[in-house]
Amino acid sequence: TQLLEQSPQFLSIQEGENLTVYCNSSSVFSSLQWYRQEPGEGPVLLVTVVTGGEVKKLKRLTFQFGDARKDSSLHITAAQPGDTGLYLCAGGETSGSRLTFGEGTQLTVNP
Amino acid sequence: ETGVTQTPRHLVMGMTNKKSLKCEQHLGHNAMYWYKQSAKKPLELMFVYSLEERVENNSVPSRFSPECPNSSHLFLHLHTLQPEDSALYLCASSQAWTSGNPYEQYFGPGTRLTVT
Repeated sequence: TQLLEQSPQFLSIQEGENLTVYCNSSSVFSSLQWYRQEPGEGPVLLVTVVTGGEVKKLKRLTFQFGDARKDSSLHITAAQPGDTGLYLCAGGETSGSRLTFGEGTQLTVNP
Repeated sequence: ETGVTQTPRHLVMGMTNKKSLKCEQHLGHNAMYWYKQSAKKPLELMFVYSLEERVENNSVPSRFSPECPNSSHLFLHLHTLQPEDSALYLCASSQAWTSGNPYEQYFGPGTRLTVT
């Protein structure tokens, strides 16, 4: 079974600050997805990266897939209270039959 | 309705009850999943159906019984649950895996289950 470790587990920052969340593994993944989950709701897909070294931007969010496809990062610029939520990374296993999820990073952006 | 829907959103049941969770996807997908989400734990994959065939069962206790009558509907039948089964149960759907498919899963809002 492939494992994904996310860090930090908890992050509380002020509005306007920048932050980076990391997702690391010793295993290679065919793809890496990032989700955001709000209380009482299911995870919402933000982005999928599939190529080593790939960078994708979604407004103030920047996602990067590591060159070796073992790790990923999510960078948020000028965080806003609306960014508050649980951020989950999920790796597509090379066998293709499942996603492996990290434990998540709980982000709180204070006004 | 769009996306993935789940009913009920909240469920409280005693340990001797029998209940069912329902999931419906409107995305034209052909694979569906049940996950369990507990506090401070990663999402736990319970069951996978691909092309209406169960392809994965991750050592889930028999008190959980899935059913997939067609590619759009998925059920989770519950009976004689334990308090530790209290959690958020999430349904997801995707295209069935093929080589080169980024395998994106789309989740429903979940059913918050409390076993008393």
